[in-house]
Amino acid sequence: QVQLVESGGGVVQPGRSLRLSCVASGFIFSNYAMHWVRQAPGKGLEWVAVVSRDGNIKYYADYLEGRFTISRDSSKNTLYLQMNSLRPDDTAMYYCAGWYSDFDHWGQGTLVTVSS
Amino acid sequence: NFMLTQPHSVSESPGKTVTISCTRSSGSIADNYVQWYQQRPGSSPTNVIYEDNLRSSGVPDRFSGSIDRSSNSASLTISGLKPEDEADYYCQSYNSLNPSYVFGTGTKVTVL
Repeated sequence: QVQLVESGGGVVQPGRSLRLSCVASGFIFSNYAMHWVRQAPGKGLEWVAVVSRDGNIKYYADYLEGRFTISRDSSKNTLYLQMNSLRPDDTAMYYCAGWYSDFDHWGQGTLVTVSS
Repeated sequence: NFMLTQPHSVSESPGKTVTISCTRSSGSIADNYVQWYQQRPGSSPTNVIYEDNLRSSGVPDRFSGSIDRSSNSASLTISGLKPEDEADYYCQSYNSLNPSYVFGTGTKVTVL
């Protein structure tokens, strides 16, 4: 069955960096664009970024102001999110997800807390 | 960039019907497909409706989706409400002018 397993979250000080990973299994990873979506505690879903199937096209939410970078390694079936210059308002559960037509799967999320 | 606005909460008794609206602030609701997600407390979101009105695998036919060009909104209707339908629901669509995805503000459904 389809599985998406995120890792890399934790507590980090403001201004520092963190890299999230998401290992995919149970489907042909290179067939789908992949996304990061976040959810601050008690808040709604917020789209972060998407990377195309071949990794060459990337789009980001405007509010990120260039601080985050999405990438993928299809040889490892892994999606990444490099997060730099972290701010307290980046505190959230970060989900990796893939969706296209009737294919729609999310991981369990990894929690990022930005605090001094 | 457009926004998708949903009512903050709706509540109804078991067996009744609830409808959640999702209003697009600019551009036409028909420009891009709308998806609907259910998120139970402590869980990841799961898709219930994709491409405006298609049910995801395993989703009961009590769930239905539609769009209304006149009100520029999408709707998720849950009929025969059950306690397990109690959750947060989010609409989602694509912004083709500034390639990005937009989630609605979310609606908490309470089964009384």
